[in-house]
Amino acid sequence: DAKTTQPNSMESNEEEPVHLPCNHSTISGTDYIHWYRQLPSQGPEYVIHGLTSNVNNRMASLAIAEDRKSSTLILHRATLRDAAVYYCILRNAGNMLTFGGGTRLMVKP
Amino acid sequence: SQTIHQWPATLVQPVGSPLSLECTVEGTSNPNLYWYRQAAGRGLQLLFYSVGIGQISSEVPQNLSASRPQDRQFILSSKKLLLSDSGFYLCAWMWAANTEAFFGQGTRLTVV
Repeated sequence: DAKTTQPNSMESNEEEPVHLPCNHSTISGTDYIHWYRQLPSQGPEYVIHGLTSNVNNRMASLAIAEDRKSSTLILHRATLRDAAVYYCILRNAGNMLTFGGGTRLMVKP
Repeated sequence: SQTIHQWPATLVQPVGSPLSLECTVEGTSNPNLYWYRQAAGRGLQLLFYSVGIGQISSEVPQNLSASRPQDRQFILSSKKLLLSDSGFYLCAWMWAANTEAFFGQGTRLTVV
C-alpha cells in the first residue's frame, strides 16, 4: 500500500471542531482512503473511508482533495472520548492493511 | 452480525515458553485475516495475513508463526518466546478494499 504522512500529535479543545490532516502524494487511482482510531488499550476501530468524494457519517466527515493527494478527517465537535490515535491508511485491491504512526489527538476540557 | 473473538485478554509467559493465541470470526465467510503486534507506545506492526485456509503471508521475519486451519480461525504461535515478543497482539478481519476492517480486543502479552 502507498505511504501516508500524518502529524505525530494534535491538540483540541472540547466541543470545538478538529481537522486531522493526512498526506498521500503517491496515491493511485484505485486506492481507498481509510481512517481508523485507537483508544488506549483497545483495538483500532473504523471511522470512515472514501475514494474521491467527501463522505459523512455519524462519527466524522472525510474531505478529500481534488487531486486526492491529501485528505482531512473532521470531527465536528471534539469530546474527551475522542482522544485517541487516528490512523490514515490507503487500501487498494491488494490484501495488505498497513498502519503508519498515526496522529495522537489530545482533547482539553 | 459479524464478530471477532480473541483470547486470552492478558498473558504472562516466561522466556523460552511456547505461545498460542487464537482468533475466531463469526458471521462471515472467507475473510482476510491479520495478526498485528503493538509495542508499548508504538504503532501497529503487521505480522501475518491470510486470504484463505492454509494461506499465510509473513511480513516480518521473527520467531512467530501463524496458521489458519479453518476458514474463520487464525492462530499465532511461537515455540520459544523472547523478551522482545512482549506487546499487544491484535487480530483483524476484512473483505475488500472498500470495506472496513474489524479488530479484536487484543491480547497483552508480557514475556518475563
